[in-house]
Amino acid sequence: DAKTTQPPSMDCAEGRAANLPCNHSTISGNEYVYWYRQIHSQGPQYIIHGLKNNETNEMASLIITEDRKSSTLILPHATLRDTAVYYCIVRVGAAGNKLTFGGGTRVLVKP
Amino acid sequence: DAGVIQSPRHEVTEMGQEVTLRCKPISGHNSLFWYRQTMMRGLELLIYFNNNVPIDDSGMPEDRFSAKMPNASFSTLKIQPSEPRDSAVYFCASKNIRDSGNTIYFGEGSWLTVV
Repeated sequence: DAKTTQPPSMDCAEGRAANLPCNHSTISGNEYVYWYRQIHSQGPQYIIHGLKNNETNEMASLIITEDRKSSTLILPHATLRDTAVYYCIVRVGAAGNKLTFGGGTRVLVKP
Repeated sequence: DAGVIQSPRHEVTEMGQEVTLRCKPISGHNSLFWYRQTMMRGLELLIYFNNNVPIDDSGMPEDRFSAKMPNASFSTLKIQPSEPRDSAVYFCASKNIRDSGNTIYFGEGSWLTVV
């Protein structure tokens, strides 16, 4: 699976959009970008995933650059409950099984 | 729907004792994963099963660790004998192999402290 690079931490203001970057310059054509988050004392939680098109669900939006070498997770209106570690993971979507977690980005939403 | 269920949620045990962690995957899921999380090493995959068969156990740290999946609705991770360095949060996760989204769902974890 392709390696990802994320900033170790970031702060954002409650009610504002949080934009979380992820670099995956060695991504292969059949690898998807997945985002998970882990709220303190809980198990990781799936957020969203995509291959090349931008994706949106009730939790977040995923913007993938045209060359697919980077992506941004957008939390449109961050709340205090969005404080968590956010993991960007690249892996083969259809056949891959393992999720390999890196260090993630520790996001602190401040009032 | 019930999520992945793990037990016990918290366990404190003495060094040398046997520890058994249990997991019930989401009904209908046919892949099961055991992860370990520590401050130093983050989230590490220990082993995973497809259709109750172990596929990759390369993450199992040593022979003191063993995992079984006797049927589609139950798995155990056993540590015998336990050591203080085994203190960690152990997560079980499951997915449906046929799910094109390949989403893995995690339990709440078993917090293990070995003293």
